[in-house]
Amino acid sequence: DSGVTQTPKHLITATGQRVTLRCSPRSGDLSVYWYQQSLDQGLQFLIQYYNGEERAKGNILERFSAQQFPDLHSELNLSSLELGDSALYFCASSPSGGPVDTQYFGPGTRLTVL
Amino acid sequence: ILNVEQSPQSLHVQEGDSTNFTCSFPSSNFYALHWYRWETAKSPEALFVMTLNGDEKKKGRISATLNTKEGYSYLYIKGSQPEDSATYLCAFMSSNYQLIWGAGTKLIIKP
Repeated sequence: DSGVTQTPKHLITATGQRVTLRCSPRSGDLSVYWYQQSLDQGLQFLIQYYNGEERAKGNILERFSAQQFPDLHSELNLSSLELGDSALYFCASSPSGGPVDTQYFGPGTRLTVL
Repeated sequence: ILNVEQSPQSLHVQEGDSTNFTCSFPSSNFYALHWYRWETAKSPEALFVMTLNGDEKKKGRISATLNTKEGYSYLYIKGSQPEDSATYLCAFMSSNYQLIWGAGTKLIIKP
């Protein structure tokens, strides 16, 4: 158990809908990362936050947005969902968000768009 | 476009044998190289973070080396055990602080 929690574990929804994925980092970690893992693809970095501020942005679609709240939990919002958004979404946290920080991964949220 | 390549894509190894696989990454703007282990139905877990050329790290039967000048890292597993079966991911951190992940090497240990 990494100490990172993600809810929900599974989510099934329809195309065009909007969902929110939630992540609580390890106690003491200030940085949160979001990743997408689609079928037959590797981990794709979406976005990173540090202490409430966006620090780095990867291949995140405009339909997706995220934020980190003052209590350091983070939410990833996915809107106008398409079939291709079906994937495993991981959240990870690290102490300072630095380049040599170990990232601790949560169990993931499996999103299925029908 | 920054690209991280891992080879082979998958590997079947007899229990007790030693094995190794490769991660290739850009040799410019290098900041760090991360290795993670990802077991089926679990989350990726960190193995090593390497920053210096010539660095060598070890954790039990698993070790890794780093060559930043030529842009590669090797992961070695000595005396493979069934519990070593997993996908091994490497990730390259460039000076823009973004981790670029390889697709992984899937290791299957045959008893």
